[in-house]
Amino acid sequence: NAGVTQTPKFRILKIGQSMTLQCTQDMNHNYMYWYRQDPGMGLKLIYYSVGAGITDKGEVPNGYNVSRSTTEDFPLRLELAAPSQTSVYFCASSRQGGDTDTQYFGPGTRLTVL
Amino acid sequence: DQQVKQNSPSLSVQEGRISILNCDYTNSMFDYFLWYKKYPAEGPTFLISISSIKDKNEDGRFTVFLNKSAKHLSLHIVPSQPGDSAVYFCAAGGSNYKLTFGKGTLLTVNP
Repeated sequence: NAGVTQTPKFRILKIGQSMTLQCTQDMNHNYMYWYRQDPGMGLKLIYYSVGAGITDKGEVPNGYNVSRSTTEDFPLRLELAAPSQTSVYFCASSRQGGDTDTQYFGPGTRLTVL
Repeated sequence: DQQVKQNSPSLSVQEGRISILNCDYTNSMFDYFLWYKKYPAEGPTFLISISSIKDKNEDGRFTVFLNKSAKHLSLHIVPSQPGDSAVYFCAAGGSNYKLTFGKGTLLTVNP
């Protein structure tokens, strides 16, 4: 049972480059999320999706884009990488929202922008 | 504005003793709370949760207590084991599906 998988595990980008962080879940969860964690900080929500075709902004969406064409996949796109986007990115999924909302996390992608 | 605060960046306890991790929140609209555990180079894993209608939830060695009037919750681990050494995140959620996380507390359990 793979759960939530993320690729790549590590990536170094130059300023202005673009990339897509991949996230796939095999639990048939409706809800998916992207977080970033900066050193010494908690996780901050970037974008989330409550189902295929539906996405919405979280706390820190600037500089990112997402799409949700299938239930399984929720890629995160960085168009013009900036040093401020150096962080660890976690994707998560949950069956539903609310007080039964146990989110399952992927292992993370460590991104460095130089 | 931090809505979920974990004021202790780190905690060290002896194996077999109790570990108490604390969390404070400011938003009275939060109606459920969760604790996640995170090992280095891994994603957070769910540990235990509590709804705002309860004041205690227990799962094995882990108990979460909620004091709504004080906007405070705590996670008790008894007895603590070296494998419990990790970063523990407190998180709070409301009706909008979004979780707000604290900064985390690094727990070290010494053999």
